[in-house]
Amino acid sequence: AQKITQTQPGMFVQEKEAVTLDCTYDTSDPSYGLFWYKQPSSGEMIFLIYQGSYDQQNATEGRYSLNFQKARKSANLVISASQLGDSAMYFCAMRELYNQGGKLIFGQGTELSVKP
Amino acid sequence: DTGVSQNPRHKITKRGQNVTFRCDPISEHNRLYWYRQTLGQGPEFLTYFQNEAQLEKSRLLSDRFSAERPKGSFSTLEIQRTEQGDSAMYLCASSSGQGKSANQPQHFGDGTRLSIL
Repeated sequence: AQKITQTQPGMFVQEKEAVTLDCTYDTSDPSYGLFWYKQPSSGEMIFLIYQGSYDQQNATEGRYSLNFQKARKSANLVISASQLGDSAMYFCAMRELYNQGGKLIFGQGTELSVKP
Repeated sequence: DTGVSQNPRHKITKRGQNVTFRCDPISEHNRLYWYRQTLGQGPEFLTYFQNEAQLEKSRLLSDRFSAERPKGSFSTLEIQRTEQGDSAMYLCASSSGQGKSANQPQHFGDGTRLSIL
């Protein structure tokens, strides 16, 4: 079974508008962390934002915020005021705390295209 | 502050040849990870080191694959007798933290893209 599901293979957004990228996850571990990474066409994986399973508030980092709904097991990324440079692949990933090594389990990604 | 460095960036080789990739993590990071990413997919975990100890290996890591981190600093990933299916981007990541630390982000290198002819 997929542990991380990103149901949107591709998304389009107009420059300066907000966009939400969906992510649902599956784990039986009560302690886990959720991460979003950006991968431009050049290939590097850039860490964007983190949400812990016990965090009471939704994480925010500049124009990025995470809409964390624990009961629904969803951790959607919201990008506000989209910029052309936001065009990239976006990956949701999870780390389960029982796994002390901390490997990340990634979804299949969403390709975001920002239109001028 | 230098990030994670991977060499080479690209490697083209014939099927059956051996290849070796190198990863230099962020200097203060004690954890090092290798992932493989094929086209259109998210990265998949291969193996993990804490300092010089290799603590976990994925079933994806067949006996043709071997990874080392001899002094707890840089790491190498070797693939022997390469096959067409080995063509992928090989990503290295590092992070800090001891024990259970779910909130430490992994910082990735630019990857090594392997193409098997």
